[in-house]
Amino acid sequence: EAGVAQSPRYKIIEKRQSVAFWCNPISGHATLYWYQQILGQGPKLLIQFQNNGVVDDSQLPKDRFSAERLKGVDSTLKIQPAKLEDSAVYLCASSQIRTSGYEQYFGPGTRLTVT
Amino acid sequence: GQQLNQSPQSMFIQEGEDVSMNCTSSSIFNTWLWYKQDPGEGPVLLIALYKAGELTSNGRLTAQFGITRKDSFLNISASIPSDVGIYFCAGQGRGAGSYQLTFGKGTKLSVIP
Repeated sequence: EAGVAQSPRYKIIEKRQSVAFWCNPISGHATLYWYQQILGQGPKLLIQFQNNGVVDDSQLPKDRFSAERLKGVDSTLKIQPAKLEDSAVYLCASSQIRTSGYEQYFGPGTRLTVT
Repeated sequence: GQQLNQSPQSMFIQEGEDVSMNCTSSSIFNTWLWYKQDPGEGPVLLIALYKAGELTSNGRLTAQFGITRKDSFLNISASIPSDVGIYFCAGQGRGAGSYQLTFGKGTKLSVIP
């Protein structure tokens, strides 16, 4: 079974530029998550989708971050304009809908450096 | 918001030794998950725990879901060099039905051959 795919793996941009990340979840997983992981910390949830609807985006900085999941499969996370503090690894995860909790499976991440 | 305290922050052990790390929370969780993250990669799920008191093994790894539902521990027996990495605990709460994961800050494990 193929895992969660993400691209690009690395991105370097200057502050105030825009950037987009792409995620393809595990086939059949209805729920998709975007996390931000700052160096030395655990991942922090930015947004959660179930199919193509947003379940939780309470920690997404909506003035500069946006995400969409068209057709309930692939997802894109965008930052516009980027700030220095956005330098982090952006992780995508997916899970099946279960009655006993969701086991989330992560992609390799995109390492963003903002200069 | 919910916070997880994971300890120790880092540890250096000799190959063959056993390792223990734990997480405590100020809130109750429904599920505890343990992940391992290698440099440049995403976290990989090691063990998932769904019931208070549950003890689950995966090879040399054993994890338990605390009775109070506010803590969990992970043990690694007979460590080997490939156990090197950062181990994260994650608690999954009710969160308005979103099953949001809250992560600890990680335990960095170094194994000396």
